This record gives sequence, C-alpha cells and structure tokens, in this order.
Amino acid sequence: NAGVTQTPKFQVLKTGQSMTLQCAQDMNHEYMSWYRQDPGMGLRLIHYSVGAGITDQGEVPNGYNVSRSTTEDFPLRLLSAAPSQTSVYFCASKDGGAGDTQYFGPGTRLTVL
Amino acid sequence: AQSVTQLDSQVPVFEEAPVELRCNYSSSVSVYLFWYVQYPNQGLQLLLKYLSGSTLVKGINGFEAEFNKSQTSFHLRKPSVHISDTAEYFCAVSDSVTQGGSEKLVFGKGTKLTVNP
Repeated sequence: NAGVTQTPKFQVLKTGQSMTLQCAQDMNHEYMSWYRQDPGMGLRLIHYSVGAGITDQGEVPNGYNVSRSTTEDFPLRLLSAAPSQTSVYFCASKDGGAGDTQYFGPGTRLTVL
Repeated sequence: AQSVTQLDSQVPVFEEAPVELRCNYSSSVSVYLFWYVQYPNQGLQLLLKYLSGSTLVKGINGFEAEFNKSQTSFHLRKPSVHISDTAEYFCAVSDSVTQGGSEKLVFGKGTKLTVNP
C-alpha cells in the first residue's frame, strides 16, 4: 500500500493563478480531508468528504473548492491564489469507524507570490 | 465545538531525560483524543489515541499519555528521550458523540521537542 499520496511536493504560484493539489489513497477509506498548516497555528481543516459525491466545509474553506468523484481521489482546487494561501497542505484519510486513525500524506508546500 | 491548548510551544531536554508535553482541551461533549508526531519535512504520524476505557494509553516509540476527564487534560510522557525524538508534537481532539463529529480533528498549535546530547 502506498497509503496517502500527494502531488506536487512543492509549488510556486503567482497571485491570481489557479491550480489543483492532488490527493489519492489506496486504502479504500470512506473519509478524506484537507488541512493547512501554518507556523504557530497547528493544522486547520479546510474541507472534508465522507464518501464519493459528498463534501462539506471545515474551519477555513474560503478560497478552496473540492469534489469527490471516486473513493480514491480528493483534489483541492485554488481558483484564484492569494498570498494568504501560502501554507503546507496535508491530505488525510480514515476508515468509516468512529475514532479510527486518520492517515496523513507527506504534504504539499505552496508559495503564492 | 472543541478547542485544544498545548501549553508549551517549545520544550528543550537532554538525552535520556524524562519529558512531559502538556495538552488541555475544551468540549461540551465527550471526545476522542490523539497525539500525532511530525518529523521535519514529513507528514503526521499517530503516536497514540484515547477512545474509551483505561485512562493510561500506551503508544509507539515508548510514549504514553493519561486522560484526565476532571482536568480535561491529555498529557504526553516519555521516561527517557532519544535524539531521534526531536520533532513537533500535536494534540488533537474530535467529537465522539455527534454523528460525523469524529471525522473532524481539531488540533493544538504544536509543541516542538528538541532533544540535546
């Protein structure tokens, strides 16, 4: 099992550009989520999905879109990047049971100039 | 809603010394509690979790944590640390009662543990 994979590892964007951060998992997990990590802030939930076709907002959803067309993939879209979106982004997945462990990907470091 | 406070942003210790990383939480409902570790330039890895039952939880790499409901705390301990334990440690909480609540983790701001020779 590769677990949770994320691409790219690093990305630099200019303000106003769009891009998609990719996330995939091969554990057949129902639940997937996106977090952002900023220095001194811990991790904050952006969006999450409890299954294919079902998504919902987390704590900091503004400026980001998600969709979940398959169990395996959960891409995060930035439609018009802003410097405030400079961060490290982590994707996570877990099985459906309450209290099950969330498994995190290696992260994407995004810089918006 | 839940919140997590990690009381120390940085903790320096010497190798083979004991360490305690403190975590307090706030919630109006029962919770699940987690400790994750992040090594430099890596993702997060679960150290241990408390779901129910015994309040003393043992995890990987010799770490343990104790759930104290009356003090709403979940402090992480290790009796003797190694250089390789240098990392950032995150305490997290999720709602264990509300449907779908356990899917969303709320993290503390992290504690950077530095183990010096």
